[in-house]
Amino acid sequence: GIQVEQSPPDLILQEGANSTLRCNFSDSVNNLQWFHQNPWGQLINLFYIPSGTKQNGRLSATTVATERYSLLYISSSQTTDSGVYFCAVGKLTSGTYKYIFGTGTRLKVLA
Amino acid sequence: GAVVSQHPSRVICKSGTSVKIECRSLDFQATTMFWYRQFPKKSLMLMATSNEGSKATYEQGVEKDKFLINHASLTLSTLTVTSAHPEDSSFYICSARATGTANTEAFFGQGTRLTVV
Repeated sequence: GIQVEQSPPDLILQEGANSTLRCNFSDSVNNLQWFHQNPWGQLINLFYIPSGTKQNGRLSATTVATERYSLLYISSSQTTDSGVYFCAVGKLTSGTYKYIFGTGTRLKVLA
Repeated sequence: GAVVSQHPSRVICKSGTSVKIECRSLDFQATTMFWYRQFPKKSLMLMATSNEGSKATYEQGVEKDKFLINHASLTLSTLTVTSAHPEDSSFYICSARATGTANTEAFFGQGTRLTVV
């Protein structure tokens, strides 16, 4: 099945710093989303981005589908950005649709 | 965005009993729903994919007799953990996709934290 790897697995930043999170996937996909999981476990949808570039405030994301990767940029990080970031990819195979999560990046922003 | 409601958010049950978790798409019809399990400090693991009106497709290693999935309508899927044991304690999350092409995003419920004592 499709493999989804994220890097780095852990990241510690000083408040105000910028960061780039990466998501690599092993096969072509129909969908890609980025999520932030809050301390209570809820997944906050950041971007739906199967291709191209999107921006939302301090966050932006780029997916290069032909090269099988996506990047999430966080600028001017704040302590509230701390948490776990997941990418998830969706793929339709033989009539069955699957949505697979990446390994995650655990981010800690220090004041 | 679309809303997926998952209930209950937290449940404690005794070993040997069964627990049912509901996942509802509130403002859209969901042909496909997904169930995930998450262990502490780990990623979400896909357990099964359910399509309305048909049997669920379980991932390798997931016991379908232990985790019963029903997707009887376009807005409701249920996961029943049968004869629960402490090792079934985990965080379970459902997801739903709107009816349509493959290029539609998935929306997630709030999750259910199951503790089996």
